[in-house]
Amino acid sequence: EPEVTQTPSHQVTQMGQEVILRCVPISNHLYFYWYRQILGQKVEFLVSFYNNEISEKSEIFDDQFSVERPDGSNFTLKIRSTKLEDSAMYFCASLPGLAGSYEQYFGPGTRLTVT
Amino acid sequence: KNEVEQSPQNLTAQEGEFITINCSYSVGISALHWLQQHPGGGIVSLFMLSSGKKKHGRLIATINIQEKHSSLHITASHPRDSAVYICAVPNTGNQFYFGTGTSLTVIP
Repeated sequence: EPEVTQTPSHQVTQMGQEVILRCVPISNHLYFYWYRQILGQKVEFLVSFYNNEISEKSEIFDDQFSVERPDGSNFTLKIRSTKLEDSAMYFCASLPGLAGSYEQYFGPGTRLTVT
Repeated sequence: KNEVEQSPQNLTAQEGEFITINCSYSVGISALHWLQQHPGGGIVSLFMLSSGKKKHGRLIATINIQEKHSSLHITASHPRDSAVYICAVPNTGNQFYFGTGTSLTVIP
């Protein structure tokens, strides 16, 4: 069964460094998402992406964040200058987007630790 | 403010018990997702429903669009059902709002 994959599974970085989290959504899906979950807290929406552009973003998704779909396969989340409070689990998800098909498929997540 | 409220926050049940988790929401279009998050952190989509009821194995989800309320039921609960159950609602702009989750522990 097709699945969403994410790399790396765990990333440790120093404050102020740039990180890129990678996701490979399911190949025929049209909508892509990034979420984060700070330890012990609820899942929070960051951004949705459709037709090669951001369709919606939350207040969390400020100028330090960017997303790209560089090659039609990967979907990346870049954090330009990491802060301690960026430490969280980051989940990628994709959705078919065909008529009547709005179920999200989640990746296994990347645990980001900022020291 | 919480656009999506779940209850209870924590639930402990004996194996075999019937379990109900509730979700009320104040935003969103007429659809709701139920998700399961295992202790390892992975998230699995259980249901997406926009009306009535859906059943998958021992799991049943119902939704009342007018009241903006949904319930997830687990029949004959089993220790492997232990997980966090999350409801999520999309708005018209393709942004999802998540509940805080219900942590379920089923004791053998």
